[in-house]
This record gives sequence, C-alpha cells and structure tokens, in this order.
Amino acid sequence: EVQLVESGGGLVKPGGSLRLSCVASGFTLRNAWMSWVRQAPGKGLEWVGRIKSKIDGGTTSYAAPVKGRFSISRDDSKNTLYLQMNSLKSEDTAMYYCTTGTTFLGGWGQGTLVTVSS
Amino acid sequence: QSVLTQPPSVSAAPGQKVTISCSGSNSNIGINYVSWYQQLPGTAPKLLIYDTDKRPSGIPDRFSGSKSGTAATLGITGVQTGDEADYYCGTWDSSLSAAPLVFGGGTKLTVL
Repeated sequence: EVQLVESGGGLVKPGGSLRLSCVASGFTLRNAWMSWVRQAPGKGLEWVGRIKSKIDGGTTSYAAPVKGRFSISRDDSKNTLYLQMNSLKSEDTAMYYCTTGTTFLGGWGQGTLVTVSS
Repeated sequence: QSVLTQPPSVSAAPGQKVTISCSGSNSNIGINYVSWYQQLPGTAPKLLIYDTDKRPSGIPDRFSGSKSGTAATLGITGVQTGDEADYYCGTWDSSLSAAPLVFGGGTKLTVL
C-alpha cells in the first residue's frame, strides 16, 4: 500500500524559509514521479511542482506563483521527497500534500500545514 | 480563476444519479487524460477516476468518468450520504501560460 507522510510544516514569518519532507513507503520511490499540491484554507487544489524519476531525467517543473522561490528535490536512498520554500508570502499559507503519479496523482499524503504570518 | 471550470455545487437525494461537469480547452482536456479526485470533509484528496474513465481498485462502479471534446464528466449513480464531498477534476495542460497540471475549482456534492 502506498504511504506518504509529510512533515516540516509550521508557522513562519513572511520572507522566511521552510523545508517540507515526505517519506514514502509501499512502493519504489526511485521509479516514481512526485508532485506537491497545496490547498489554501477553504480553497481548491493547486499544483505546486513536480520532479521526475531519475531514470526519466529527474527534472523539475513548477507553477508560476512559486517558480524561483520553491525547489523540489529527492533522496531516493532515504525514500524522501523535499520541498524547499524560500521567500514565503502570506498567500503560500496552505496545506501541502505530497503526491505520486505521472498522468494522474494516485497516492496522497495526509498533508502538512504551512502558515505564513507575522 | 481555475483553468478548468466546474460548477461550485450540485445536490442529489439518496439513490439518485448526479453528474459533475469539467470544462477545459484544446490545450488540456481536449488532448489529455482527465482524472477525478474526491475529498471527504477534513481529509486528503483521493483518486477516484484516472485516464478519463478508469477506476482504481476499491472504487465502486457507481462512479464513472467520460469525456467529449474539451469537457469531462463525473457520474455518480445511487448517491449515498457518504458521497458528500468535494470533487475535483484534473489534467495536464500543454499551453505555455498554464501550469503543467491544472485542477478545476471543485464541486461540493450535497446529499439531500
């Protein structure tokens, strides 16, 4: 069974940084394309970015609102996906979900809440 | 403003059928598979339909997906109170101005 467990969320001031982690189990992370999806309070889903498997190039892509501020990386030896978030803004406040899949997102974590506020 | 357009809400009585529409364009739904996600209150989203009309293991056949042109539809037959949730469509977008993966704004299903 696919399991994804996010951590690292919390309260951070505008302009600050935070690194989220996602530990994967129940499947082979190194073969998987992974994405981060966020959901602001009371709002819909928003794709944040994706990292391909290393065998498919390991490249990343990002949504426009976070490009240049967020960075996705992976450590397949630790079965862990990361989301480095810099220059955080109040509009980045959201639940952040780690997901897996290529043409669809088949596995979802329970999410970790990031609050950006002074 | 979401790239994919869904009705904000739909409602149905128990046992009835309900459909949720998802409208896109030639750069997303028109050329790519569509997936649907169910988000029960207070929980993470869950994959409901993938590749436009396929159900993952464990999803009952009361749920179905289809597509015509640049619009997709989620159908739920024999609606149950446990189906009360937010439903999101998603697909990849090939236009340069959009994020590679786009979602609809979500539709809240109320079971009367």
